[in-house]
Order: sequence, then C-alpha cells, then structure tokens
Amino acid sequence: AQTVTQSQPEMSVQEAETVTLSCTYDTSENNYYLFWYKQPPSRQMILVIRQEAYKQQNATENRFSVNFQKAAKSFSLKISDSQLGDTAMYFCAFMKPTGTASKLTFGTGTRLQVTL
Amino acid sequence: SAVISQKPSRDICQRGTSLTIQCQVDSQVTMMFWYRQQPGQSLTLIATANQGSEATYESGFVIDKFPISRPNLTFSTLTVSNMSPEDSSIYLCSVEIRGGGRANEQFFGPGTRLTVL
Repeated sequence: AQTVTQSQPEMSVQEAETVTLSCTYDTSENNYYLFWYKQPPSRQMILVIRQEAYKQQNATENRFSVNFQKAAKSFSLKISDSQLGDTAMYFCAFMKPTGTASKLTFGTGTRLQVTL
Repeated sequence: SAVISQKPSRDICQRGTSLTIQCQVDSQVTMMFWYRQQPGQSLTLIATANQGSEATYESGFVIDKFPISRPNLTFSTLTVSNMSPEDSSIYLCSVEIRGGGRANEQFFGPGTRLTVL
C-alpha cells in the first residue's frame, strides 16, 4: 500500500515571499501520478498541480511549481510571490492509475497561513 | 473539469437517524468517489461508485453503514445510517476525469458538513 507523508502540520509565510511545502511518499510502483490539492477555509478542494512520474521535468502552474525527486520519493510544492488567497490547507496526494478506479491516497495536510 | 454540487451543504442530525447526501455532476462520468474528512484530518476514501454495479468499499467501511446508489452517470447518493457523534465529518464526493489531456484527475464537490448530536 502507498503512504504519503507531510511532515509540516503548519507553516506561515509573509505576503510576496516564497514558501516550500514538503511531501514524501512510499510506493513500489513505477507509473503513478502525484498531486497537490488546496482546501481554503470552509471552501472547496481544488487541484493545484499534478506530476506524472514518467516525466522528468517538474510541473509548473503560474506561481506554483514542484520539485519532483523520483529516486528520493519526494514531491515538494513551491509557492512563489505568496498571496493572502493562498491561505489554505494543502494536501499532497498519490494516485496509481488503473483501468478502473484510480484511488487517491492523501497526506495529512499542511496548513499554510499567509500574513501581511 | 467538472462542476459538482452536493446537497445538503450541512446538516445537524440526531444520533440513530440516517442522512442521504446527494452528488450531482454536470457531465457524464464513469467513476464517482465518496470521501470522509473528519475534523482537522485528511481525506479517507469510503467507496468507489461505478454506474451499473455495486459500490466498492474500502477497509473499515461497510455497505450497511454507508449504502451508496449510482443510478446514472451524473448522480450518486451516500447514506450515513444509524448515525453516532463519531460520524460527524465532512463528506465529499469526487469524480475522475479521463482524456482531454487531463487524464486521471479527480475533482471534488463542495462537501457536506455533518454534525451528529
């Protein structure tokens, strides 16, 4: 079974600064996907960024980028130019694609607070 | 992507009663998923609902407690039966989107916040 570990329960960053959220995972699979989801306070879970394990290039979505280290089984999220709207719970998730249902395994989350 | 709605958005229930949560998607999807998020915790998969077949439950979740219906490709319900305070959680449905360059992504509904007294 896969496990996902987020070792930082809470983090704080000042507006316009850069912050990195850590995620490690354990799997024996070679083909899989990794995701970062954002859950703002009392709001809907949304997908921030995704990474296919077969791709060496790190995924980037505007101010969000990842550092994917497959051998180390590490998948960190970097948020540049942090904004107040980035305040949220961030979940790292692992998915092994199958022909039927592809299940997501979530980490325990990191609560990020962006301050003025 | 997909637009997903859930009803009710929140409810307060008495122990021993049951609540049915609805999940509606704006497009046809094969797989729908139901998750539980206990207060301050991460998401745990309850079951996978495939249209036209019985739902597949994860370890620790049983059909008698969490019956699921999936009558068509845009709709599913989750019932939380014989509730106890330990069932107080947010219940989320999600759908998996395949194809169109964004394969294997799951999109989540807004959740149903359940409080059991």
